[in-house]
Amino acid sequence: QLLESGGDLVQPGGSLRLSCAASGFTFSTYAMSWVRQAPGKGLEWVSEISGTGGSTFYADSVKGRFSISRDNSKNTLYLEMNTLRAEDTAIYYCAKDASSGTWFDFWGQGTLVSVSS
Amino acid sequence: QLVVTQSPSASASLGASVKLTCTLSSGHSSYAIAWHQRQPDKGPRYVMKVNSDGSHIKGDGIPDRFSGSSSGTERYLTISSLQSEDEADYYCQTWGKGVLAVFGGGTQLTVL
Repeated sequence: QLLESGGDLVQPGGSLRLSCAASGFTFSTYAMSWVRQAPGKGLEWVSEISGTGGSTFYADSVKGRFSISRDNSKNTLYLEMNTLRAEDTAIYYCAKDASSGTWFDFWGQGTLVSVSS
Repeated sequence: QLVVTQSPSASASLGASVKLTCTLSSGHSSYAIAWHQRQPDKGPRYVMKVNSDGSHIKGDGIPDRFSGSSSGTERYLTISSLQSEDEADYYCQTWGKGVLAVFGGGTQLTVL
């Protein structure tokens, strides 16, 4: 199971931290990703982190503003979001990579981030 | 550039079959894709991975009514004996060397 939390209404330029609690699999073994869906739009990959946390990757649209991390002792994935923009408004899903850099074989239910003044 | 393209919409009658198509960009005929289902007000659900040879790996609990196949740069998801709960958006996803997740625009499936 993947359970996201932390979504909220935030003003432009603000910050937010999302969490994703994982259970039912050996969390530290798998790369994990964040994927978002803006209103009326399709799915957009945001960021990925390796199982150890040693490698991270970002979409150009969030590079320098978002930071992905994980705490394998707590089976939890995080997404720190800074300098938020209106276009970051979306449902954010955490997803388990079947293997690093490939397809997603399990998804969470999502958490809504709204950026508006 | 690695891109996947989907038709925006599809429809079929209850109990009938429908074949959704995901088209890989030119030069990427060896790439696999994954299908994901997003029902209204739910998170996405992994349906299956489809390889270039048509073999596929289904997600947990995906009914036998769902099958995958391939031809050239096209990857297919066929749903037979359509049920109302199959009405959803279906996204294909691919990946490659130095390229992480790439999604198609999604196909909205309507069950009539």
